[in-house]
Amino acid sequence: DTAVSQTPKYLVTQMGNDKSIKCEQNLGHDTMYWYKQDSKKFLKIMFSYNNKELIINETVPNRFSPKSPDKAHLNLHINSLELGDSAVYFCASSQEGDGRYYNEQFFGPGTRLTVL
Amino acid sequence: LAKTTQPISMDSYEGQEVNITCSHNNIATNDYITWYQQFPSQGPRFIIQGYKTKVTNEVASLFIPADRKSSTLSLPRVSLSDTAVYYCLVGPNDYKLSFGAGTTVTVRA
Repeated sequence: DTAVSQTPKYLVTQMGNDKSIKCEQNLGHDTMYWYKQDSKKFLKIMFSYNNKELIINETVPNRFSPKSPDKAHLNLHINSLELGDSAVYFCASSQEGDGRYYNEQFFGPGTRLTVL
Repeated sequence: LAKTTQPISMDSYEGQEVNITCSHNNIATNDYITWYQQFPSQGPRFIIQGYKTKVTNEVASLFIPADRKSSTLSLPRVSLSDTAVYYCLVGPNDYKLSFGAGTTVTVRA
């Protein structure tokens, strides 16, 4: 069973379109994240939700809006797509205070977004 | 967040031990040292974490000297499947992971 899943795996779209990426985790974790990995392979955190509440919102354009219908899902909606949005987007989840390591996050397989 | 410096790339052969050293001179008292591994076309995967001294698990060992200004990830007897990018992360337990460029380890037969 996939722990953290994302759909779609690939997304090719035109500039100006609106698109969504879905993420689901079946680990029972209470915190979920979205990361962006650019062409230079740097991974940067975009958002984090804990129990459906936004706890981290880095300097991300307002065109990006995360939505958490429940603590197992964190979707990413992007409005008015731009060329610079082309990247791989990773969803991740973690559970704090369960006796495991700090900062142990479980990542999904990624969604490669290409904006033409 | 403490800045980290690690080699851009390392080459090795199957069966050898690979040691990747990460420098983090500005590490703070409440910072932990965490290593992640990323295979091509996959998300990063947690390998190991430590605060001081030595930590060992089934995948790797992490050596941290007393001053904590550096750390070394040791991968024993690597195989071709260990070819990946290895990231050293230093920070507190505040949900934020800050990934640098990582070290691309290439294992050859």
